[in-house]
Amino acid sequence: DAGVTQSPTHLIKTRGQQVTLRCSPKSGHDTVSWYQQALGQGPQFIFQYYEEEERQRGNFPDRFSGHQFPNYSSELNVNALLLGDSALYLCASSLVPSQALRYTFGSGTRLTVV
Amino acid sequence: QKEVEQNSGPLSVPEGAIASLNCTYSDRVSQSFFWYRQYSGKSPELIMSIYSNGDKEDGRFTAQLNKASQYVSLLIRDSQPSDSATYLCAVGSYNQGGKLIFGQGTELSVKP
Repeated sequence: DAGVTQSPTHLIKTRGQQVTLRCSPKSGHDTVSWYQQALGQGPQFIFQYYEEEERQRGNFPDRFSGHQFPNYSSELNVNALLLGDSALYLCASSLVPSQALRYTFGSGTRLTVV
Repeated sequence: QKEVEQNSGPLSVPEGAIASLNCTYSDRVSQSFFWYRQYSGKSPELIMSIYSNGDKEDGRFTAQLNKASQYVSLLIRDSQPSDSATYLCAVGSYNQGGKLIFGQGTELSVKP
């Protein structure tokens, strides 16, 4: 039973560029949430997708956008990258609402903006 | 005031001792409480969840919740060097959909 799969694992981008991160949820899960974890900090909620719609959003600018596909996989897009966007981006999946917020996290994508 | 607060540590305990990790939260309507373990460079791993006041035990781990005091803790008995990691407290509420709010994490170091 595959867990949450994220790609790529690492990438380096230049300020001002755009990036797309991908996530495949755990088998049987239909909800995907994205979190940003800066070095030495706890993860911060970016947004959540369910039934191909953004259901909830954290305190992130519109440069952060996402998408969920019919197979429940998801993408996180970040435009006009800033140095401060350097972080570990985590995808978490769950089965709403029965899983009572019990998320399974992927291994993350380490984004470095130079 | 941060929504979820943890002592950042590092917390250092000798092997075999009890490690006590604490967390306070500000939103009284919070309903779900979690402890995640995160090894350096890895993703968080759920180790305990607790939803009602009192204690919940799972092996060497005990989670304690006191909603009146808005306090949740994690005890690790017989600490092992392999327990050395950052422990993240996370709080959620159905009223806020699926959002989890994390503390900044407490770094635990278990010395052999």
